[in-house]
Amino acid sequence: DGGITQSPKYLFRKEGQNVTLSCEQNLNHDAMYWYRQDPGQGLRLIYYSQIVNDFQKGDIAEGYSVSREKKESFPLTVTSAQKNPTAFYLCASSIRTAEETQYFGPGTRLLVL
Amino acid sequence: KNEVEQSPQNLTAQEGEFITINCSYSVGISALHWLQQHPGGGIVSLFMLSSGKKKHGRLIATINIQEKHSSLHITASHPRDSAVYICAVGRQGNLIFGKGTKLSVKP
Repeated sequence: DGGITQSPKYLFRKEGQNVTLSCEQNLNHDAMYWYRQDPGQGLRLIYYSQIVNDFQKGDIAEGYSVSREKKESFPLTVTSAQKNPTAFYLCASSIRTAEETQYFGPGTRLLVL
Repeated sequence: KNEVEQSPQNLTAQEGEFITINCSYSVGISALHWLQQHPGGGIVSLFMLSSGKKKHGRLIATINIQEKHSSLHITASHPRDSAVYICAVGRQGNLIFGKGTKLSVKP
């Protein structure tokens, strides 16, 4: 079955800790995205990548980092510099551009201890 | 003012009712998307349209480019349609998302 997987489903972060959220796709899509969702707000773009070994900051990249070493994988690290990390994080992919149909993973809920 | 506005924010309906969710936008767009977010959090794309109307099962999406407005209709609503419906517009290489409309269909 083709799709996007995210892990873990729930993640707890301690003060000063970096945590990494996994995102994998087997759709052979070039483009991948990370979004943050907060209650009562629309999805906001953190980072995106249109090709392996290249990525760009979105609207709220501060306190986050990504890598794109393989086409299938686009992990997101929430660093200790992100002061308000509690949110629902969604990974998505599309064939080539953000304006095409995007396919979403099930999401990871990050909570701060 | 948000570039993408949805109304209503919350909607409660009885099973079988005809439902309309509206989306207005203030910028030029390449296409408009309707997405459904299930209570567990997963999001699926329902429609992508740049003109006219599209239909899939009991769902119908329309767009009026001149008025910068789109509607999502659900006919013969069912409790399994309960979800958050999100409008998003494609612009300058990105998607801009509305805040969503939370629909609850009661049996």
